[in-house]
Amino acid sequence: AQKVTQAQTEISVVEKEDVTLDCVYETRDTTYYLFWYKQPPSGELVFLIRRNSFDEQNEISGRYSWNFQKSTSSFNFTITASQVVDSAVYFCALSGVDNQGGKLIFGQGTELSVKP
Amino acid sequence: GAGVSQSPSNKVTEKGKDVELRCDPISGHTALYWYRQSLGQGLEFLIYFQGNSAPDKSGLPSDRFSAERTGGSVSTLTIQRTQQEDSAVYLCASSRGGAADTQYFGPGTRLTVL
Repeated sequence: AQKVTQAQTEISVVEKEDVTLDCVYETRDTTYYLFWYKQPPSGELVFLIRRNSFDEQNEISGRYSWNFQKSTSSFNFTITASQVVDSAVYFCALSGVDNQGGKLIFGQGTELSVKP
Repeated sequence: GAGVSQSPSNKVTEKGKDVELRCDPISGHTALYWYRQSLGQGLEFLIYFQGNSAPDKSGLPSDRFSAERTGGSVSTLTIQRTQQEDSAVYLCASSRGGAADTQYFGPGTRLTVL
C-alpha cells in the first residue's frame, strides 16, 4: 500500500528563520512521483514541485529547496528566510505509476505559520 | 490560460437531498480527478477520468456518489441522498494525461449538509 506521512502537524517560526517540512513515503512501485503542494488560506492547492523516483538530485527554486533521499524514503522541503506569505498548509503527495493510474496519495499536511 | 474552475463555490443542502458539483478542467487536459478534503480524513482521492477509458472509481465512498465526464471535458460529481458526513470541500484537478503528470487544482466546492 502507498502511504505518505507528514509527522509535523503544525510549525510556527518567526520571519527570516529557515524551516524544514518533513515527508516520508511508502510505496512498492519502482516508478513513482513525489509532489509538494501549498494550500494558502484562500484554499486553492498550488503546485510547487514534481520529482520522479529516478532523479535524486536536490532542487532549489528561489527560497525553496527539496531534498529527495530514496535510502530513507524522504522528500523534505526547506524554506530559507521564511516570510509571512509562506504561511499555509503544505502537502506532500505520492503518485505511483505502476498500479495507481496517477492518483495522488496525500500526507496529512503541515500547517506553517510565519510570524512577523 | 484559464485554470480549473468549479461551481458552485459553496453549497448548503439539507440531509437527504441530491447535489451536483461541476468541474471545468484546463483546456486540452485529458485527465480529470476528483478529491475530497475533510477535517477528519484529509485529502482523499474519489475518481479519475482519462480520455475515453473507463473511469477509476476506486475512491468513491459509497454508491450514493457518482460522476460523469461529458465530451472529454466538463465533469459532474453527483451525491445522492446527502448525509452530514458528506460535508467537505470537493476538489477537482486536471492534468495533460500522462501517468503522474502534474495535477492542477481548482478552487473547490465547499459542501455543507445540514
